[in-house]
Amino acid sequence: GAGVSQSPRYKVAKRGQDVALRCDPISGHVSLFWYQQALGQGPEFLTYFQNEAQLDKSGLPSDRFFAERPEGSVSTLKIQRTQQEDSAVYLCASSPNTGQGEKLFFGSGTQLSVL
Amino acid sequence: GNSVTQMEGPVTLSEEAFLTINCTYTATGYPSLFWYVQYPGEGLQLLLKATKADDKGSNKGFEATYRKETTSFHLEKGSVQVSDSAVYFCALEPLPGFQKLVFGTGTRLLVSP
Repeated sequence: GAGVSQSPRYKVAKRGQDVALRCDPISGHVSLFWYQQALGQGPEFLTYFQNEAQLDKSGLPSDRFFAERPEGSVSTLKIQRTQQEDSAVYLCASSPNTGQGEKLFFGSGTQLSVL
Repeated sequence: GNSVTQMEGPVTLSEEAFLTINCTYTATGYPSLFWYVQYPGEGLQLLLKATKADDKGSNKGFEATYRKETTSFHLEKGSVQVSDSAVYFCALEPLPGFQKLVFGTGTRLLVSP
């Protein structure tokens, strides 16, 4: 597709369930980011990949959060044993290059609700 | 640390009114600055950017000037349209080339006919 695609669009999980969120970046994009956006807040950085290498995971809130991009294209964000505070919109973004001021292309996000 | 502060919304205007959305930042070094826009049901889109002091970013009639002396990057538009109704996010990139953005909390703009 032409843009960053995320699935599912909505996810409802019971507390304690594991979830997996998928991101298909724009083909050929080197950089991939995950952000978490709580209701009424701005996005907050979770983790960054350059190709298949996870260069920064400093924003992951706990060891229940895990992200991968094994072939340098599709990425999955996994949350184990979900908690209510994990409820948020999870945004994926990609960029063709690294470089100052490079434009990020964002997906529409996955809205996760943990009951 | 790095942070971005935006004026709280919603900002409610009539069509053709002048728009200002204030944004100030705190950062070490020389960050790049951005405005992103989020239309209902859509992903964030880059609206404009500036990578160094005194740069002016512009797009679709929107403008913002990187003011290092006041650590500000206020968004302006001379005449808003109903189609400009959206949430606007100010953001900074603390480390050049690393693209790890720090966002403000967003300002919702509502434009009525």
